[in-house]
Amino acid sequence: ETGVTQSPTHLIKTRGQQVTLRCSSQSGHNTVSWYQQALGQGPQFIFQYYREEENGRGNFPPRFSGLQFPNYSSELNVNALELDDSALYLCASSLDWEDTQYFGPGTRLTVL
Amino acid sequence: GESVGLHLPTLSVQEGDNSIINCAYSNSASDYFIWYKQESGKGPQFIIDIRSNMDKRQGQRVTVLLNKTVKHLSLQIAATQPGDSAVYFCAEGLYGQNFVFGPGTRLSVLP
Repeated sequence: ETGVTQSPTHLIKTRGQQVTLRCSSQSGHNTVSWYQQALGQGPQFIFQYYREEENGRGNFPPRFSGLQFPNYSSELNVNALELDDSALYLCASSLDWEDTQYFGPGTRLTVL
Repeated sequence: GESVGLHLPTLSVQEGDNSIINCAYSNSASDYFIWYKQESGKGPQFIIDIRSNMDKRQGQRVTVLLNKTVKHLSLQIAATQPGDSAVYFCAEGLYGQNFVFGPGTRLSVLP
């Protein structure tokens, strides 16, 4: 176990709704990265937060947004959900922004 | 848990044999590479990493080989066990940047 936790484990939403996913990083880690993993594919980088600031972003639209809190936990928010947003959302924490990333178990989002 | 990689390339090996999983990476500027293992219903688990200034690194039962000339990475697993059955991803990146994951390979260990 990596010590990275995510909630909820599963979530079902309908198209157009908004969702918030949560991640608690491993103790001592100040960096959280979020990834989207579609079925049958590798994880795709969404964005990274380092010491509460966004520290890089992948090719995802602005309706994907995030936050990192002073305790370094993080949220991923997705607005105006689309069917293609159905995926496993993974959070990874690292000791620092340039260190190895350790993944949580993921949140499975289904958009109907 | 949910299935990961329903249509991935599959490598089947006999229990006790050695496994070799290959990965072609795309960016010649990448200087940091990681292998992850993902079991069904779980997030990717770190296995081993290697910097571009090395061509080989060994861990416990695993070895990663890097060939920068042809942009190729491989993961060797010695004495493969049933618990090694999973999907394996390579990830490339510039050290300190974020990672691009490959499509994954499913390793199936036969009894």
